[in-house]
Amino acid sequence: KAGVTQTPRYLIKTRGQQVTLSCSPISGHRSVSWYQQTPGQGLQFLFEYFSETQRNKGNFPGRFSGRQFSNSRSEMNVSTLELGDSALYLCASSLADRGREQFFGPGTRLTVL
Amino acid sequence: GESVGLHLPTLSVQEGDNSIINCAYSNSASDYFIWYKQESGKGPQFIIDIRSNMDKRQGQRVTVLLNKTVKHLSLQIAATQPGDSAVYFCAEKVDSGYALNFGKGTSLLVTP
Repeated sequence: KAGVTQTPRYLIKTRGQQVTLSCSPISGHRSVSWYQQTPGQGLQFLFEYFSETQRNKGNFPGRFSGRQFSNSRSEMNVSTLELGDSALYLCASSLADRGREQFFGPGTRLTVL
Repeated sequence: GESVGLHLPTLSVQEGDNSIINCAYSNSASDYFIWYKQESGKGPQFIIDIRSNMDKRQGQRVTVLLNKTVKHLSLQIAATQPGDSAVYFCAEKVDSGYALNFGKGTSLLVTP
């Protein structure tokens, strides 16, 4: 079974731009979560989606948004990029009705210049 | 506030020795904990989990111990191998959804 895939793997943007990242969960997984990973703050929860509904949201500004499609694929968007948004963005999927294990993708490395 | 933290930022062990990575949590309501391993350039890889109604759980070469009295979690790796070198994170489930609260991570270095 294929794992979680994320595209693109690397991205370079400039301040003020916006970016959209994509995540395809493991087949059959309906829950998708997004995390931001930085050296200073570690892994921080952004939001979680299940059946196209956002169930949980972390403590991030409104510039960070996401959505989930009917096939469980998810996208996250960051508008008006700031230098501090440079990070590894990780997507994780899980079987909502089975347990709590979250399986992570390789991440998208975003650099804001 | 509620947090998950790790006692040591780095741990160096010799190949073949056992490794113990510790984690403290402060939310007594946490009911689920996971250990992840993250190698350079990769996403976190699920290692083992444990629920709050258990004290110990074993996997292949790994054991997780949970002490709810002192809110402490540990990961034991038996016969540590060079391939075990990575950053290890503990995480706790914080609510009825699937949001995980991660600790800062411990870097494990296995020397020959």
